[in-house]
Amino acid sequence: GEDVEQSLFLSVREGDSSVINCTYTDSSSTYLYWYKQEPGAGLQLLTYIFSNMDMKQDQRLTVLLNKKDKHLSLRIADTQTGDSAIYFCALKEDNRLAFGKGNQVVVIP
Amino acid sequence: GAVVSQHPSWVICKSGTSVKIECRSLDFQATTMFWYRQFPKQSLMLMATSNEGSKATYEQGVEKDKFLINHASLTLSTLTVTSAHPEDSSFYICSATRENENIQYFGAGTRLSVL
Repeated sequence: GEDVEQSLFLSVREGDSSVINCTYTDSSSTYLYWYKQEPGAGLQLLTYIFSNMDMKQDQRLTVLLNKKDKHLSLRIADTQTGDSAIYFCALKEDNRLAFGKGNQVVVIP
Repeated sequence: GAVVSQHPSWVICKSGTSVKIECRSLDFQATTMFWYRQFPKQSLMLMATSNEGSKATYEQGVEKDKFLINHASLTLSTLTVTSAHPEDSSFYICSATRENENIQYFGAGTRLSVL
């Protein structure tokens, strides 16, 4: 099955950019996702990218996909305190999702 | 659109009792629903996949008699934790997908505490 790795913790000052990284092993995934989880809540889909794309931008969010290195990143511009959460990358594997362990982002005012 | 509602959000029960958790797609028909379990500071572990009108497919190591899943309609799936014990205490999250769409929409989760 898919093995998805994420770094565990990131702290960033309000207004700076955050970059969260994810690496994976199975290159056959067609869809790659970023989800956000706030404390005690479910997962909110932030954005996703199709495997034939290299980049996708959606307002403050930029997703970069490097298929050669099997590396996915999420950049949050102008990070706000409301961006403090755990961010999961996930890859579509058949009809299910393979999740990373999550990256906690703490925004310092 | 694509709102998934999960109920209850938090339940406390005595050991040995059964608890039912509901997952509803409010504004779409869910062809497939998924049930996950999440331990503190951990990722989501898929427990089972259910399609309307058919038996759920359980992941390896998940006891189907312990975690009963019913997907009676295109908008409702239920997870019943039977004879709950303290080790079943966890955060349970459901998700749902629409036909011909590759996105899972998640509920807000249910925190189960078994005393």
